[in-house]
Amino acid sequence: EVQLVESGGGLVQPGRSLRLSCAASGFTFDDYAMHWVRQAPGKGLEWVSGISWNSGSIGYADSVKGRFTISRDNAKNSLYLQMNSLRAEDTALYYCAKGDSSSAPSPFDYWGQGTLVTVSS
Amino acid sequence: DIQMTQSPSTLSASVGDRVTITCRASQSISSWLAWYQQKPGKAPKLLIYKASSLESGVPSRFSGSGSGTEFTLTISSLQPDDFATYYCQQYNSISGTFGPGTKVDIK
Repeated sequence: EVQLVESGGGLVQPGRSLRLSCAASGFTFDDYAMHWVRQAPGKGLEWVSGISWNSGSIGYADSVKGRFTISRDNAKNSLYLQMNSLRAEDTALYYCAKGDSSSAPSPFDYWGQGTLVTVSS
Repeated sequence: DIQMTQSPSTLSASVGDRVTITCRASQSISSWLAWYQQKPGKAPKLLIYKASSLESGVPSRFSGSGSGTEFTLTISSLQPDDFATYYCQQYNSISGTFGPGTKVDIK
């Protein structure tokens, strides 16, 4: 059974940093692209960042470019999101999602339950 | 960047109704379009990928069509479990922009 478990969320002051983690199990982690998607309270889904199976291709939404860094450790079956210079508008539930391919265009076929990030003073 | 729009933003319908949601891309995305269902407090669930392919385990009352810039999600006969918010998404190998969502509620 595919499982994605996010952790690392919490309350953080504006301008500070936070690192999210996603522990994956139930599939061959290094065969698939992975993504972070967020959802602000009461709002829609926003794709944040994606990374190919071998970290060779990485993408970011314009809203986080230059502040967030995605990475993965295939040996540990883990995905990460380093979030720096956090703003109030980054407050959201952050989901880890699995692409259904290593590199070809792929939808997100499995999702975690999310970790909540609240940016407030 | 490719922008996605959806219409309507809210749809009121009754059990048994045929429901259609439209999604438009700001430029051609071929058939790289997915549909997701999200219920309150839950993670999104993949329904349709590559515009018209039904994800395994998804009821056949859900169908998708379109290519290029205009796409539709159709629920042939709305069931009580289908009241939810639906999102379209354009995707490539490492990104995926979502539409703003369509909430389907009870009429």
